[in-house]
Amino acid sequence: GEDVEQSLFLSVREGDSSVINCTYTDSSSTYLYWYKQEPGAGLQLLTYIFSNMDMKQDQRLTVLLNKKDKHLSLRIADTQTGDSAIYFCAEAPEGNLIFGKGTKLSVKP
Amino acid sequence: NAGVTQTPKFQVLKTGQSMTLQCAQDMNHEYMSWYRQDPGMGLRLIHYSVGAGITDQGEVPNGYNVSRSTTEDFPLRLLSAAPSQTSVYFCASSETGARETQYFGPGTRLLVL
Repeated sequence: GEDVEQSLFLSVREGDSSVINCTYTDSSSTYLYWYKQEPGAGLQLLTYIFSNMDMKQDQRLTVLLNKKDKHLSLRIADTQTGDSAIYFCAEAPEGNLIFGKGTKLSVKP
Repeated sequence: NAGVTQTPKFQVLKTGQSMTLQCAQDMNHEYMSWYRQDPGMGLRLIHYSVGAGITDQGEVPNGYNVSRSTTEDFPLRLLSAAPSQTSVYFCASSETGARETQYFGPGTRLLVL
């Protein structure tokens, strides 16, 4: 069945890079997504990558996709305290989003 | 442009009570969906709609009903609330489908006693 796995917690120091990892199961997913949820709020789309790409960069964010291993990662450069949130990886193999359980990123000053 | 709005923000129910969670969007989006978020479980799809008059079940539909009489509104009904339905409920919308950018509402926190 479809499943998206992520580690639950990550703690980094302000200014360091954060890397959040995700594995997914359905190789037919055309798009893979990263959503961010700040405390007490809904989710917002952070970035996404087409399955025919290996990498996508958007300012401080870098998404890497290893399609062979079904592994997706999100790198946040120069992590700030405002980046503290839960980050969700998601795939949409048959038209509906399947989310991972979310990685809670804590940024220490 | 208010985006996706949800009411109420918080609700406490007793077991067996019914209620409707409201969701509205003003972006003329065809696709709308309801998720529940539970600790350690991520988001799970309850019901979704690809347009007015069309609804379908998601991963966890039991105990919930939906209808889509207009493009703007997608209410979620709990017919007989159970403690297992204690959760945070999010409504989302996108232009035509889940593969596009989903816009989420702020959520409704529901406690069933």
